[in-house]
This record gives sequence, structure tokens and C-alpha cells, in this order.
Amino acid sequence: LAKTTQPISMDSYEGQEVNITCSHNNIATNDYITWYQQFPSQGPRFIIQGYKTKVTNEVASLFIPADRKSSTLSLPRVSLSDTAVYYCLVASNTGGFKTIFGAGTRLFVKA
Amino acid sequence: DTAVSQTPKYLVTQMGNDKSIKCEQNLGHDTMYWYKQDSKKFLKIMFSYNNKELIINETVPNRFSPKSPDKAHLNLHINSLELGDSAVYFCASSQDQGGRRRDTQYFGPGTRLTVL
Repeated sequence: LAKTTQPISMDSYEGQEVNITCSHNNIATNDYITWYQQFPSQGPRFIIQGYKTKVTNEVASLFIPADRKSSTLSLPRVSLSDTAVYYCLVASNTGGFKTIFGAGTRLFVKA
Repeated sequence: DTAVSQTPKYLVTQMGNDKSIKCEQNLGHDTMYWYKQDSKKFLKIMFSYNNKELIINETVPNRFSPKSPDKAHLNLHINSLELGDSAVYFCASSQDQGGRRRDTQYFGPGTRLTVL
């Protein structure tokens, strides 16, 4: 099962671009990479998902190199409301569906 | 409309008691999950059901028993509660059974369980 590693925390200022990198060295061929956002006292919320190269939606971009052993979530021009925990996870289908959440990255956006 | 709902939101109880947490999803999804999030914020999957059938049963004490009366509901019953069971329990659902592009999970608001 792919295990993910992320920085424990990051600080940023409003209006800056934030890049959070996740390592998943043992990612399997069929695995997708998904990022979730969690605010205090709420359940995680889907942000973006990708398999390779680059994916962009209205919230973020996801960059995945050719070897897929890492991925980078890019949040453009963060605001105070982006302060949250961001989880990188790899969907694994070995022996049934298993979602392995890492420890997450606590992003703190300052004014 | 709440997509994934859980009741109760807070649950405070004594050690040794038996309690249940209910979860319902109105998204028409086939797969539902229970996760436990401890004080260090690690989110760990406990169970997964696909069309009322158990497909994942992680290493959790057998005091925890999931029940899925239909594919829109997945309840969690906990017997003989212990102090270490204190955590936030999240229910989630997804359309497909894992490993595919459309397996985005939708989480409920969580149930904060405190065992005294």
C-alpha cells in the first residue's frame, strides 16, 4: 500500500501561492492521487485528483511528475479562509478499496 | 440538503457503555466508510461497505461492529466503550469501489465521542 509523506505544517501570507508536496514512492500503476482539505470540526472535503502530469480546477492545481512518486498541490493566491489541514492520499485497490490518509499538512495563512 | 449526515454530533458517555452512531447518505452512492480521527488528527479507515457488503475491515477491536441496513445507511455500534475510543468518527461515501477516478469521498460532519 502506498504510504504518503507530507510536511507537518506550513505558513503563508494572504495573496501568496502555496505549494504542498507529497511523497508516495510506492504508488501502484492503477493508483490515483487525491487531495482533501479539512477545516476544524468538519469532515475532509475533496479538492482535486490526478493520475499524471497536471490537473487544474477552480480551486487548485496538481502537478505530478512522470515517475509519479510525488505530487504537488498548488493553491494560487491563498486567503485566510484557506487555513486548514491538507491531506494527500493514494487510492489503492489491493484486496478491496483502501484509502490511506497521511498525517496531513497544516497550512496557516496570515494576514 | 445534507449529503452525508451523522447523528449524534456529540456523544459523551461512561466507560463500559454501549453506544451507536448513525450515518445516512442521500447521494445514491454504493460505498460507505467509517473513519476514526484521533487527537493527533490522524485519519484512519475502520470499515468500508459496498452495496451493504463489508469490503474492508481494518484492525479494529471487535467491540466495533458496523451495520448496513441498506446502501444509504451505515451505522457503527461500539460495545464496552474504553477511554481510548475517544475520538471524532467520520462517515463517508463514494460512488465506486476504489482505485478509480470517480472515487471521491464525501464526508459527514463527524461525531465527537468522549468516553469518561
